[in-house]
Amino acid sequence: NAGVTQTPKFQVLKTGQSMTLQCAQDMNHNSMYWYRQDPGMGLRLIYYSASEGTTDKGEVPNGYNVSRLNKREFSLRLESAAPSQTSVYFCATGGWRTTNEKLFFGSGTQLSVL
Amino acid sequence: AQTVTQSQPEMSVQEAETVTLSCTYDTSESDYYLFWYKQPPSRQMILVIRQEAYKQQNATENRFSVNFQKAAKSFSLKISDSQLGDAAMYFCASPLRDDKIIFGKGTRLHILP
Repeated sequence: NAGVTQTPKFQVLKTGQSMTLQCAQDMNHNSMYWYRQDPGMGLRLIYYSASEGTTDKGEVPNGYNVSRLNKREFSLRLESAAPSQTSVYFCATGGWRTTNEKLFFGSGTQLSVL
Repeated sequence: AQTVTQSQPEMSVQEAETVTLSCTYDTSESDYYLFWYKQPPSRQMILVIRQEAYKQQNATENRFSVNFQKAAKSFSLKISDSQLGDAAMYFCASPLRDDKIIFGKGTRLHILP
Protein backbone atom coordinates (compact mmCIF):
# COMPACT_ATOMS: atom_id res chain seq x y z
CA ASN A 1 0.00 0.00 0.00
CA ALA A 2 2.27 2.76 -1.30
CA GLY A 3 -0.12 5.74 -1.15
CA VAL A 4 1.33 8.36 -3.50
CA THR A 5 4.46 7.47 -5.44
CA GLN A 6 6.52 10.06 -7.27
CA THR A 7 9.40 9.42 -9.61
CA PRO A 8 12.15 10.42 -9.87
CA LYS A 9 13.19 11.71 -6.43
CA PHE A 10 16.01 13.83 -7.83
CA GLN A 11 16.74 15.19 -11.28
CA VAL A 12 19.22 17.59 -12.82
CA LEU A 13 18.41 19.08 -16.21
CA LYS A 14 20.10 21.50 -18.53
CA THR A 15 18.17 24.51 -19.77
CA GLY A 16 15.98 23.52 -22.70
CA GLN A 17 15.78 19.82 -21.86
CA SER A 18 12.43 18.15 -21.33
CA MET A 19 11.28 15.67 -18.76
CA THR A 20 8.18 14.14 -17.23
CA LEU A 21 7.54 13.76 -13.52
CA GLN A 22 5.43 10.73 -12.78
CA CYS A 23 2.88 10.35 -10.02
CA ALA A 24 0.74 7.34 -9.15
CA GLN A 25 -1.74 6.80 -6.34
CA ASP A 26 -3.37 3.62 -5.11
CA MET A 27 -5.91 5.35 -2.86
CA ASN A 28 -8.75 5.43 -5.38
CA HIS A 29 -9.12 9.21 -5.17
CA ASN A 30 -10.59 11.21 -8.02
CA SER A 31 -8.64 14.42 -7.39
CA MET A 32 -4.92 14.80 -7.98
CA TYR A 33 -2.66 17.82 -7.72
CA TRP A 34 0.78 19.05 -8.67
CA TYR A 35 2.46 21.67 -6.46
CA ARG A 36 5.84 23.29 -6.50
CA GLN A 37 7.62 24.45 -3.35
CA ASP A 38 10.14 27.26 -3.38
CA PRO A 39 11.81 28.95 -0.39
CA GLY A 40 9.60 31.75 0.92
CA MET A 41 6.79 30.95 -1.51
CA GLY A 42 5.11 27.99 0.14
CA LEU A 43 3.37 25.41 -2.01
CA ARG A 44 1.89 26.76 -5.20
CA LEU A 45 -0.62 24.81 -7.25
CA ILE A 46 0.54 24.11 -10.80
CA TYR A 47 -2.27 21.92 -12.12
CA TYR A 48 -5.22 20.08 -10.75
CA SER A 49 -7.23 17.11 -12.00
CA ALA A 50 -10.73 16.45 -10.68
CA SER A 51 -11.05 13.10 -12.44
CA GLU A 52 -9.66 10.93 -15.18
CA GLY A 53 -9.38 12.88 -18.41
CA THR A 54 -9.87 16.33 -16.85
CA THR A 55 -7.27 18.90 -15.88
CA ASP A 56 -7.36 22.52 -14.80
CA LYS A 57 -4.77 25.23 -14.34
CA GLY A 58 -3.66 26.26 -10.91
CA GLU A 59 -1.76 29.32 -9.74
CA VAL A 60 1.45 28.83 -11.75
CA PRO A 61 0.77 26.69 -14.86
CA ASN A 62 3.07 28.41 -17.35
CA GLY A 63 5.84 26.16 -18.67
CA TYR A 64 4.09 22.95 -17.65
CA ASN A 65 1.73 20.42 -19.16
CA VAL A 66 -0.09 17.60 -17.46
CA SER A 67 -1.75 14.37 -18.39
CA ARG A 68 -4.36 12.35 -16.48
CA LEU A 69 -4.78 9.25 -18.58
CA ASN A 70 -6.35 7.12 -15.86
CA LYS A 71 -7.51 7.40 -12.28
CA ARG A 72 -4.17 6.34 -10.79
CA GLU A 73 -1.66 8.42 -12.72
CA PHE A 74 -1.08 12.15 -13.14
CA SER A 75 2.09 13.24 -14.90
CA LEU A 76 3.73 16.66 -15.12
CA ARG A 77 5.80 17.56 -18.15
CA LEU A 78 8.38 20.28 -18.62
CA GLU A 79 8.78 20.73 -22.37
CA SER A 80 11.73 23.12 -22.23
CA ALA A 81 13.13 23.43 -18.75
CA ALA A 82 14.23 26.82 -17.43
CA PRO A 83 16.30 27.69 -14.33
CA SER A 84 13.14 29.29 -12.84
CA GLN A 85 11.65 25.80 -12.70
CA THR A 86 14.26 24.66 -10.19
CA SER A 87 12.08 23.60 -7.30
CA VAL A 88 10.72 20.75 -5.24
CA TYR A 89 7.65 19.24 -6.87
CA PHE A 90 4.93 17.49 -4.93
CA CYS A 91 2.13 15.36 -6.20
CA ALA A 92 -0.93 14.98 -3.98
CA THR A 93 -4.27 13.26 -4.00
CA GLY A 94 -7.38 13.51 -1.87
CA GLY A 95 -9.74 16.35 -1.15
CA TRP A 96 -11.56 18.34 1.47
CA ARG A 97 -15.30 18.04 1.02
CA THR A 98 -16.00 15.39 3.67
CA THR A 99 -14.99 14.93 7.26
CA ASN A 100 -12.25 12.39 6.70
CA GLU A 101 -10.75 13.87 3.57
CA LYS A 102 -7.35 15.48 3.39
CA LEU A 103 -4.47 15.72 0.95
CA PHE A 104 -2.00 12.85 0.81
CA PHE A 105 1.39 13.83 -0.56
CA GLY A 106 4.17 12.06 -2.36
CA SER A 107 7.72 12.41 -1.08
CA GLY A 108 8.61 15.07 -3.62
CA THR A 109 10.98 15.49 -6.57
CA GLN A 110 13.98 17.79 -6.21
CA LEU A 111 14.55 19.29 -9.66
CA SER A 112 17.52 21.46 -10.57
CA VAL A 113 17.72 23.19 -13.94
CA LEU A 114 21.18 24.46 -14.81
CA ALA B 1 -2.74 35.68 -6.54
CA GLN B 2 -2.59 33.50 -3.48
CA THR B 3 -5.55 33.95 -1.21
CA VAL B 4 -4.11 32.24 1.82
CA THR B 5 -1.89 34.58 3.82
CA GLN B 6 0.53 33.66 6.55
CA SER B 7 2.04 36.89 7.79
CA GLN B 8 4.77 35.40 9.99
CA PRO B 9 7.65 33.94 7.94
CA GLU B 10 9.43 32.76 11.10
CA MET B 11 8.62 32.40 14.76
CA SER B 12 10.46 31.17 17.82
CA VAL B 13 9.08 29.82 21.07
CA GLN B 14 10.62 28.51 24.23
CA GLU B 15 10.15 24.82 24.86
CA ALA B 16 6.99 24.14 26.94
CA GLU B 17 5.53 27.56 26.06
CA THR B 18 2.56 28.34 23.82
CA VAL B 19 2.76 29.83 20.34
CA THR B 20 0.12 30.96 17.85
CA LEU B 21 0.60 30.93 14.08
CA SER B 22 -1.65 33.21 12.04
CA CYS B 23 -3.49 32.56 8.80
CA THR B 24 -6.11 34.46 6.82
CA TYR B 25 -7.83 33.19 3.72
CA ASP B 26 -10.37 34.05 1.09
CA THR B 27 -12.53 31.44 -0.57
CA SER B 28 -15.59 31.50 -2.78
CA GLU B 29 -16.82 28.24 -1.29
CA SER B 30 -19.82 28.48 1.03
CA ASP B 31 -19.03 25.34 3.00
CA TYR B 32 -15.45 24.23 3.37
CA TYR B 33 -12.69 22.83 5.48
CA LEU B 34 -9.43 24.48 6.47
CA PHE B 35 -6.15 22.72 7.16
CA TRP B 36 -2.85 23.15 8.92
CA TYR B 37 0.00 21.00 7.63
CA LYS B 38 3.41 20.49 9.18
CA GLN B 39 6.55 19.92 7.13
CA PRO B 40 9.60 18.76 9.11
CA PRO B 41 13.08 18.70 7.53
CA SER B 42 12.24 15.28 6.04
CA ARG B 43 9.98 17.20 3.61
CA GLN B 44 7.02 14.98 4.49
CA MET B 45 3.67 16.79 4.65
CA ILE B 46 1.74 15.92 7.81
CA LEU B 47 -1.80 17.00 8.54
CA VAL B 48 -1.90 18.69 11.94
CA ILE B 49 -5.52 19.73 12.24
CA ARG B 50 -8.66 20.31 10.16
CA GLN B 51 -11.53 22.72 10.82
CA GLU B 52 -14.99 22.48 9.32
CA ALA B 53 -16.19 25.96 8.47
CA TYR B 54 -19.82 25.31 9.34
CA LYS B 55 -18.92 24.25 12.89
CA GLN B 56 -18.85 26.91 15.56
CA GLN B 57 -16.58 24.86 17.80
CA ASN B 58 -12.86 25.22 17.28
CA ALA B 59 -11.02 22.00 16.42
CA THR B 60 -8.50 20.52 18.83
CA GLU B 61 -5.98 17.71 18.47
CA ASN B 62 -4.04 17.09 21.65
CA ARG B 63 -1.68 20.10 22.03
CA PHE B 64 -2.89 21.70 18.80
CA SER B 65 -5.98 23.86 18.55
CA VAL B 66 -7.35 26.47 16.20
CA ASN B 67 -8.99 29.84 16.66
CA PHE B 68 -11.41 30.01 13.74
CA GLN B 69 -13.10 33.33 13.03
CA LYS B 70 -15.29 32.73 10.00
CA ALA B 71 -16.45 36.30 9.50
CA ALA B 72 -12.89 37.56 9.62
CA LYS B 73 -11.67 34.60 7.53
CA SER B 74 -9.01 33.92 10.10
CA PHE B 75 -7.68 30.48 11.05
CA SER B 76 -4.84 30.54 13.56
CA LEU B 77 -3.04 27.53 15.01
CA LYS B 78 -2.15 27.38 18.69
CA ILE B 79 0.51 24.96 19.87
CA SER B 80 0.57 24.41 23.61
CA ASP B 81 3.44 22.95 25.62
CA SER B 82 5.79 23.29 22.63
CA GLN B 83 8.19 20.43 22.10
CA LEU B 84 11.44 20.17 20.15
CA GLY B 85 9.69 17.90 17.68
CA ASP B 86 7.31 20.71 16.77
CA ALA B 87 10.10 22.54 14.95
CA ALA B 88 9.05 22.60 11.29
CA MET B 89 7.43 24.62 8.54
CA TYR B 90 3.70 25.07 9.07
CA PHE B 91 1.35 25.68 6.18
CA CYS B 92 -2.23 26.83 6.27
CA ALA B 93 -4.44 25.60 3.41
CA SER B 94 -7.88 26.48 2.10
CA PRO B 95 -9.94 25.39 -0.89
CA LEU B 96 -10.06 28.17 -3.45
CA ARG B 97 -12.93 26.79 -5.52
CA ASP B 98 -13.70 23.64 -7.45
CA ASP B 99 -11.63 21.51 -5.07
CA LYS B 100 -8.41 23.45 -5.72
CA ILE B 101 -6.58 23.60 -2.42
CA ILE B 102 -4.28 26.59 -1.97
CA PHE B 103 -1.48 26.90 0.58
CA GLY B 104 0.04 29.89 2.33
CA LYS B 105 3.72 30.72 2.17
CA GLY B 106 4.38 29.01 5.47
CA THR B 107 5.74 29.86 8.89
CA ARG B 108 9.03 28.36 10.04
CA LEU B 109 8.74 27.52 13.74
CA HIS B 110 11.86 27.28 15.90
CA ILE B 111 11.71 25.69 19.34
CA LEU B 112 14.26 27.06 21.80
CA PRO B 113 15.48 24.59 24.44
